[in-house]
Amino acid sequence: DAGVTQSPTHLIKTRGQQVTLRCSPKSGHDTVSWYQQALGQGPQFIFQYYEEEERQRGNFPDRFSGHQFPNYSSELNVNALLLGDSALYLCASSRGLAVYNEQFFGPGTRLTVL
Amino acid sequence: GESVGLHLPTLSVQEGDNSIINCAYSNSASDYFIWYKQESGKGPQFIIDIRSNMDKRQGQRVTVLLNKTVKHLSLQIAATQPGDSAVYFCAENVEPSGSARQLTFGSGTQLTVLP
Repeated sequence: DAGVTQSPTHLIKTRGQQVTLRCSPKSGHDTVSWYQQALGQGPQFIFQYYEEEERQRGNFPDRFSGHQFPNYSSELNVNALLLGDSALYLCASSRGLAVYNEQFFGPGTRLTVL
Repeated sequence: GESVGLHLPTLSVQEGDNSIINCAYSNSASDYFIWYKQESGKGPQFIIDIRSNMDKRQGQRVTVLLNKTVKHLSLQIAATQPGDSAVYFCAENVEPSGSARQLTFGSGTQLTVLP
């Protein structure tokens, strides 16, 4: 049973560019959350998708957008990249929206903005 | 805004000793707390959780204590092993809408197990 997978593992972009990160949830999971983890910091919640809709959003600008597909996989898009967007982007999946359902994290995508 | 924080950024313990990692939270509305372990190059891994109606919860070699009076959370690891070396995060769940989960993480504690 594959866990949460993310692609690519590493990515280098320049300021002003756009990037798309991808996530496949754990088998049986239908809810996907995205987090940004800066070096030496804890993950920060970006948003959560369920039934192809954004259900919750953290304190991130509109440059950060996402999508969830019918197969529950998800994409995170970041436009007009800034140096400060350099971070590890984590995807987490769970079954439904219930608070106590365990979230499983993927290994992350390391984004470097030059 | 309110956030979860940690008292110590690093902790070194001898193999076989017990480890205690502390966490302070400031949001009195938080009702659910989780401890995660993150090894280098990996995503966070669930260790143990506790709901706000509990004071203590035990797992395999781990115990979480919750003191709501002083808004403090701790993770105790018994007989610490080299494989326990990692960054440990506490996270709290704040449900602004009462439905979905939105986790707020602390900045983490680096645990190093010495031989």
